[in-house]
Amino acid sequence: SQELEQSPQSLIVQEGKNLTINCTSSKTLYGLYWYKQKYGEGLIFLMMLQKGGEEKSHEKITAKLDEKKQQSSLHITASQPSHAGIYLCGADGQIQGAQKLVFGQGTRLTINP
Amino acid sequence: NAGVMQNPRHLVRRRGQEARLRCSPMKGHSHVYWYRQLPEEGLKFMVYLQKENIIDESGMPKERFSAEFPKEGPSILRIQQVVRGDSAAYFCASSQNQGLGQPQHFGDGTRLSIL
Repeated sequence: SQELEQSPQSLIVQEGKNLTINCTSSKTLYGLYWYKQKYGEGLIFLMMLQKGGEEKSHEKITAKLDEKKQQSSLHITASQPSHAGIYLCGADGQIQGAQKLVFGQGTRLTINP
Repeated sequence: NAGVMQNPRHLVRRRGQEARLRCSPMKGHSHVYWYRQLPEEGLKFMVYLQKENIIDESGMPKERFSAEFPKEGPSILRIQQVVRGDSAAYFCASSQNQGLGQPQHFGDGTRLSIL
């Protein structure tokens, strides 16, 4: 079965600094999804990547999927307190598409003012 | 444009009671997924349903747990004779279609506490 490994597990950065979160899969990724979760709340969909080498950006967050489709990174530029939360990567393990998503264990991001 | 609605947000039950968790998908979405997040663990798939059909229940415990998504009304996750180990956050997600490029959108979850 597919497994996702996220690194680091937790991250503390100074406001204004850049940061990167990685997500590595044990198998080929047919769809990779990034979500953000705030404590006590649900998951907010950020971005979806499907093609090898694909890169997407939204505001100050950029996500990439490597050419081999087994690793994704999430990069935040000039971090702000609003970026704090738990970032989760989720994956389709099947070419048919989303049925059951497998998730990484999450990366807890803290932004210090 | 309402998102995925789950209720209740918090539910407290005593051991042996039944818990019913409700989920109304986003408007226009006909695919519903339930996930469980145990304390200090990741999010795990439980069951995938379409209207009146269970498509994949491979992540659901064989006993005491059931799910439905009737023609009318919300999807229900039912846990009978709850035990302390059922304490967790239960999330529902929905998607418009099933296939590549169809992200799942999540509700705020139901936090179930067993006394």
